[in-house]
Amino acid sequence: EPEVTQTPSHQVTQMGQEVILRCVPISNHLYFYWYRQILGQKVEFLVSFYNNEISEKSEIFDDQFSVERPDGSNFTLKIRSTKLEDSAMYFCASSASGLAGQPQHFGDGTRLSIL
Amino acid sequence: GNSVTQMEGPVTLSEEAFLTINCTYTATGYPSLFWYVQYPGEGLQLLLKATKADDKGSNKGFEATYRKETTSFHLEKGSVQVSDSAVYFCALTPNSGGSNYKLTFGKGTLLTVNP
Repeated sequence: EPEVTQTPSHQVTQMGQEVILRCVPISNHLYFYWYRQILGQKVEFLVSFYNNEISEKSEIFDDQFSVERPDGSNFTLKIRSTKLEDSAMYFCASSASGLAGQPQHFGDGTRLSIL
Repeated sequence: GNSVTQMEGPVTLSEEAFLTINCTYTATGYPSLFWYVQYPGEGLQLLLKATKADDKGSNKGFEATYRKETTSFHLEKGSVQVSDSAVYFCALTPNSGGSNYKLTFGKGTLLTVNP
């Protein structure tokens, strides 16, 4: 069964450094998402992406965050200058369409630890 | 805005016990409802879904019925196994307002099944 893959599984970064989290969505999917889960808290929506542009973003997704689909397979989340509070598990997801009820398929996540 | 409330965990059961995890939601219109499961060290996997009132989603012995009148989507299983030990997330997406449907999650319920 096709799956969403994320790399790295664990990233440790010094505060203030840039970090790029990578995702390979399912190949025929067109809609892409990033979510994050701070330890012990809810899974929160960050951003959705379709047709090479952001469709929606949350309040969390400020100017320090950006997303990109640099080629036909990768989907990346960049945090320009990391803060301690960015420490979380980051999940990438994709779906085949934007129709209501269409399930989103998740990767195993990247655990980001900011020191 | 949309929100999902699910019962606080952790829930600890013996093998073959009956499981109920309560989930209620707040949303306008008729959202699509989902249960996702997260096994230790893994990402979120779709367990089941329902897209309209009175629909019943089912998978792997788990069931949940979309109850519009009580705004609920409780997860049930008649006989749990040790392998069902995981964190269970209730979630929704809106059915209107655009073509990208972000998931809104509950806090998750940790289920531990003992042999």
